Formats: sequence, structure tokens, C-alpha cells
Amino acid sequence: AQKVTQAQTEISVVEKEDVTLDCVYETRDTTYYLFWYKQPPSGELVFLIRRNSFDEQNEISGRYSWNFQKSTSSFNFTITASQVVDSAVYFCALSDAYNFNKFYFGSGTKLNVKP
Amino acid sequence: EAGVVQSPRYKIIEKKQPVAFWCNPISGHNTLYWYRQNLGQGPELLIRYENEEAVDDSQLPKDRFSAERLKGVDSTLKIQPAELGDSAVYLCASSSRDGSSYNEQFFGPGTRLTVL
Repeated sequence: AQKVTQAQTEISVVEKEDVTLDCVYETRDTTYYLFWYKQPPSGELVFLIRRNSFDEQNEISGRYSWNFQKSTSSFNFTITASQVVDSAVYFCALSDAYNFNKFYFGSGTKLNVKP
Repeated sequence: EAGVVQSPRYKIIEKKQPVAFWCNPISGHNTLYWYRQNLGQGPELLIRYENEEAVDDSQLPKDRFSAERLKGVDSTLKIQPAELGDSAVYLCASSSRDGSSYNEQFFGPGTRLTVL
């Protein structure tokens, strides 16, 4: 069965520090998608990235970077030089191989960035 | 482009009362989702529509929950009667099968339900 684990419930950092959010997933499928979403206090989940299971290249987008490692079933998210506006709950999600529209979300990691 | 619209944003009711949530997806998105998000948890899918057809409602508690998506656009999620354990945020999302954003789900702001 598909499962996503985000072991870090809450992380607090000081502005400008780097922070990594961990995501470990379980699936028996060889084809799947992984996602990261951000949920600010307003409540709306904001899409950050999608990665398919055949693309293990790391990705960088500004201060955000993602490290996908199939060998350890991990899809970790790093924020470099964190800012107060990065404070939010971050969710990792896995989509079903036979139905790419079915998402399995982790329990989320709350990131607090203090000035 | 307007995002996913949900109303109301907040609802407080007493147990055993009925309640309904409304969602208007992004124009042109044929797939619509209803999720429930309990405090401190990730969203859990309740039901998924492809156009007007419910293609996955396996997690919908059918004894008290119902949903409809008439004409394949707007959708309504209803709870009758509500129980204390139904207190949660109900999120609506939509996605398109077309283009580079295939299977990327766009979420609305949610409806926070409190059952007293």
C-alpha cells in the first residue's frame, strides 16, 4: 500500500538558516509521482513541485531544491537561506501508479522561521 | 485565472444538524476532489469526480455524507447529520488532463467546520 511519512512534525529555524524537510514514501509500483505542497496559514495548499519516478535528477528553483533518491525512497526538500515568509506547513504526497490523480499525503511538517 | 472557490470559509453547527459545502473548480478542469483534513494531518480524499461521474468514493462515509457535481462543474458536499468527529477542514481541488500541469491539483482555501 502507498504511504508517505514525514517524521518531522515541527521545525524551527532562524531566518537565513538552511533547512531540510524529510519525506519517505512506500510503494510497490515502479511508476509513480511525488509532490510537495505548501500550506500557509490561509489554508490553501500551493503546489511546489512534481517529480516522476523515472527522473532522479535533483531540481533547484531559486532557494528551493529537491533531492529524490529511489534507493532510500526519499524525496527531501531543502530551503536555502530561509525567510519568515517560508513559515507554513509543508506536505509531501505520492500519486498512485494506476491512477495518477489519487494522492496520498504525509502528515506534514510545520516550519517556523523566526526573524 | 481564478482559482478554486469554496464557500463558506467557516461553519459552526451543533451536532445532528445538516451542513453543506460548495466548490467551484478552475474553469476547464474536469477532475474535482473533496478532501478532509483533520488537525495536524494531511488531506485525505473523500471523493473524486471525472466530469459529473464519481469515480472514487471509497473513503466517503456514505451513511451521512453525500456529494454531487451537476453538469460537471460546481460541486456540493453534504453531511447529514453532523457528528462531533466531523470537525475538520474540507478542501476542494481540481485538475486538468491537459498540458504540462497534468495531474497537478489546485486547491481551494477550504471550509473549516466546527461541530459543537
